[in-house]
Amino acid sequence: GQNIDQPTEMTATEGAIVQINCTYQTSGFNGLFWYQQHAGEAPTFLSYNVLDGLEEKGRFSSFLSRSKGYSYLLLKELQMKDSASYLCAVSDSNYQLIWGAGTKLIIKP
Amino acid sequence: GAVVSQHPSWVICKSGTSVKIECRSLDFQATTMFWYRQFPKQSLMLMATSNEGSKATYEQGVEKDKFLINHASLTLSTLTVTSAHPEDSSFYICSANQRESGELFFGEGSRLTVL
Repeated sequence: GQNIDQPTEMTATEGAIVQINCTYQTSGFNGLFWYQQHAGEAPTFLSYNVLDGLEEKGRFSSFLSRSKGYSYLLLKELQMKDSASYLCAVSDSNYQLIWGAGTKLIIKP
Repeated sequence: GAVVSQHPSWVICKSGTSVKIECRSLDFQATTMFWYRQFPKQSLMLMATSNEGSKATYEQGVEKDKFLINHASLTLSTLTVTSAHPEDSSFYICSANQRESGELFFGEGSRLTVL
């Protein structure tokens, strides 16, 4: 079956760095997405990786290793507004998105 | 950037009534639109894939007669929750694939509360 695993909840301190991991097993791979979702709102796009390596975009970076079925989202200089759920999703061979359950990130002052 | 608009954002209805939610791609043509449902503290669940001009493809366990999807044009898809019940109360989100780039954009979501 298809499976996406990510931690349920993480806690970090304002100004620090946090890494949210995502492992996946899917039938085919056409890219991995990271989304941020604040409570009661729709997800917003953060990053898309289809090739191995690190993609940096401001305070957020995303890494992909296709051979390991592994990705992480790195958040630097954490701000209180970064408190949200972070969703990992993989596009499978049919270009359908398989979603992880999301990681709730709690930022403490 | 591309925008997907959902309407209404919030809707409260009585049990037994039907509710229609619209999903529009405002500045691009969407060959495919997706409808998701999200319960509190849970991830998005794909309900159906909607292709313009053809019948929607429903995920296993989703009742097609209860959740009617119409994708009449390249910029509009609608989800109608028929004979709504309190257990249908949820956050419904649509997304649309931009025809040219294939990139996926999300609507703002619609929160349905059935009394």
